[in-house]
Amino acid sequence: QVQLVESGGGVVQPGGSLRLSCAASGFTFSSYGMHWVRQAPGKGLEWVAFIRYDGSNKFYADSVKGRFTISRDNSKNTLYLQMNSLRAEDTAVYYCAKPGNWNAFDFWGQGALVTVSS
Amino acid sequence: DIQMTQSPSSLSASVGDRVTITCRASQSIDSYLSWYQQEPGKAPKLLIYAASSLQSGVPSRFSGSGSGTDFTLTIRSLQPEDSATYYCQQSYSSPYTFGQGTKLEIK
Repeated sequence: QVQLVESGGGVVQPGGSLRLSCAASGFTFSSYGMHWVRQAPGKGLEWVAFIRYDGSNKFYADSVKGRFTISRDNSKNTLYLQMNSLRAEDTAVYYCAKPGNWNAFDFWGQGALVTVSS
Repeated sequence: DIQMTQSPSSLSASVGDRVTITCRASQSIDSYLSWYQQEPGKAPKLLIYAASSLQSGVPSRFSGSGSGTDFTLTIRSLQPEDSATYYCQQSYSSPYTFGQGTKLEIK
């Protein structure tokens, strides 16, 4: 069965950095593009970034462009999100998600909480 | 960017009722529209993809319709476990925007 497990969340000061990981299993990871989605406390869902199956193309939300980098290691079945220059408004639960039919997000991880606070 | 507008933002209904949530895209997205259900403290769950296709394992009381810019999610014969927040999302083009959510309360 498909499993996505995020790790690497925590508390970081404004201006700091953090790297999230998403370990994938139960499907051929190297055949799928992957997404990151976040949700600030008490708020709605916000798409963050996408990477193609082979890492050749990456897309970002304007709110994170130039600060966040999505990457993957297909040999380790792992997706990453490197977050730099973090701001208070980046505080959120971060989910990795797998796209399925018609690019709908058919599997999600349990989420990793990132808190940016001094 | 494509904006997704959901309505209502919240609603309250009774067990057995039929409810409808609407989602409008700021430009045509063909049928690249998905619906998700999110319970408090949990990850979102895919209900409907391609505007009207039921995801495997989702009860048949959930249905979706629409194409182009206007879409609806219908839940018939509401059950207590349907209490959640529902989101639409377009997967037509990046950024893959979500609606603001509809919080459904069961009376």
